[in-house]
Amino acid sequence: QLVLTQSPSASASLGASVRLTCTLSSGHSSYAIAWHQQQPGKGPRYLMKLNNDGSHFKGDGIPGRFSGSSSGAERYLTISSLQSDDEADYYCQTWGTDVAVFGGGTKLTVL
Amino acid sequence: EVQLVESGGGSAQPGGSLRLSCAASGFTFSGYWMHWVRQVPGKGLVWVSRIHTDGSITEYADSVKGRFIISRDNAKNTLYLQMNSLRVDDTAVYYCARASLLPGIIGAWGQGALVIVSS
Repeated sequence: QLVLTQSPSASASLGASVRLTCTLSSGHSSYAIAWHQQQPGKGPRYLMKLNNDGSHFKGDGIPGRFSGSSSGAERYLTISSLQSDDEADYYCQTWGTDVAVFGGGTKLTVL
Repeated sequence: EVQLVESGGGSAQPGGSLRLSCAASGFTFSGYWMHWVRQVPGKGLVWVSRIHTDGSITEYADSVKGRFIISRDNAKNTLYLQMNSLRVDDTAVYYCARASLLPGIIGAWGQGALVIVSS
């Protein structure tokens, strides 16, 4: 069964960088995923599609501060030069057998 | 600019029905799979359903199978979710979403419509 695992929380200082992780369950390490951002009180926003080779394709208007990378079953979202409005929930998502799967989300706090 | 605007949310009693609509603009609607995703306030995102570009294929989460029907009208650039036999645990914000070039990967979101099921 395909499962995406994310840490529930992360924090980093204003202006610093942070890397969030999404781990694909065993047997699914080749899967592409998407990263989505949800700011407080708002709907989700698509950030990027991330392939298993680390190539990624960002949505329109997504700043260069957001980047993706991959290693084995892990998919990373790196946010550099953190700003206060990067404080949000971040979800990874992919497609399993007849069902879309979301990670549980990581709540990022900008200190 | 891609825009997805949901409407039709509101309150219903257990066992009742509601129909959500999603008006799409800024892209060729008939060229993309479409999804519905829901979120209980304060909780995570949960996939509900998706539909093929021409409506010929529909898929559902087990929790809504047999009760919800996804459909689309490509002439009107509109996606629908007919929700029947509503239960209290269907209460959530429902998001319309457009797939990316990969049918299973979501590439754009609407702003959401709140559905409350309560007696």
